[in-house]
Amino acid sequence: NAGVTQTPKFRVLKTGQSMTLLCAQDMNHEYMYWYRQDPGMGLRLIHYSVGEGTTAKGEVPDGYNVSRLKKQNFLLGLESAAPSQTSVYFCASSYRRGGEKTQYFGPGTRLLVL
Amino acid sequence: GIQVEQSPPDLILQEGANSTLRCNFSDSVNNLQWFHQNPWGQLINLFYIPSGTKQNGRLSATTVATERYSLLYISSSQTTDSGVYFCAIRMNRDDKIIFGKGTRLHILP
Repeated sequence: NAGVTQTPKFRVLKTGQSMTLLCAQDMNHEYMYWYRQDPGMGLRLIHYSVGEGTTAKGEVPDGYNVSRLKKQNFLLGLESAAPSQTSVYFCASSYRRGGEKTQYFGPGTRLLVL
Repeated sequence: GIQVEQSPPDLILQEGANSTLRCNFSDSVNNLQWFHQNPWGQLINLFYIPSGTKQNGRLSATTVATERYSLLYISSSQTTDSGVYFCAIRMNRDDKIIFGKGTRLHILP
């Protein structure tokens, strides 16, 4: 199993450009998450999904949109990138087994917005 | 909203030393995890521990949910233990995940 994969690994954007980050998992997990990590900070939840076709806002959702059309994929979109969105983005997924929801993380995507 | 506080923020130890990392949270939770972020940025699961005690080799963790804290113990530290340790909680009502800001651990050879 590949686990959780993220595409791309690194990207440079100009202010105002758009892009989509792809997260894929092959563990048949119900839950998927997008986080951002900034220097000196922990991870902050952007959006999450508890199942195919459903999404919900996290702690810092502004400027981002998400879609979960297939169970194995969770897409994060930036419609008009801003320098404040320069960050490392992590995707995670988790299953539910007897109430346990252990999260498994992808390797991260570094995004630089100029 | 719920607060997750980790202490100490930074810790420098000699190889072979023991350490205790703490995670306090301000509300009841049904899920707590400890992660290690290595110097290459990879996030690795250590423990899923909403309550009780677990051990895995040189690492162990204890969560006292009624008193709203969790402890991560690292014994006989090795340089490969360096990195940032995060705790993360899941809120009961809406499945949101809140991370602490982490403890940065430096193990000196």
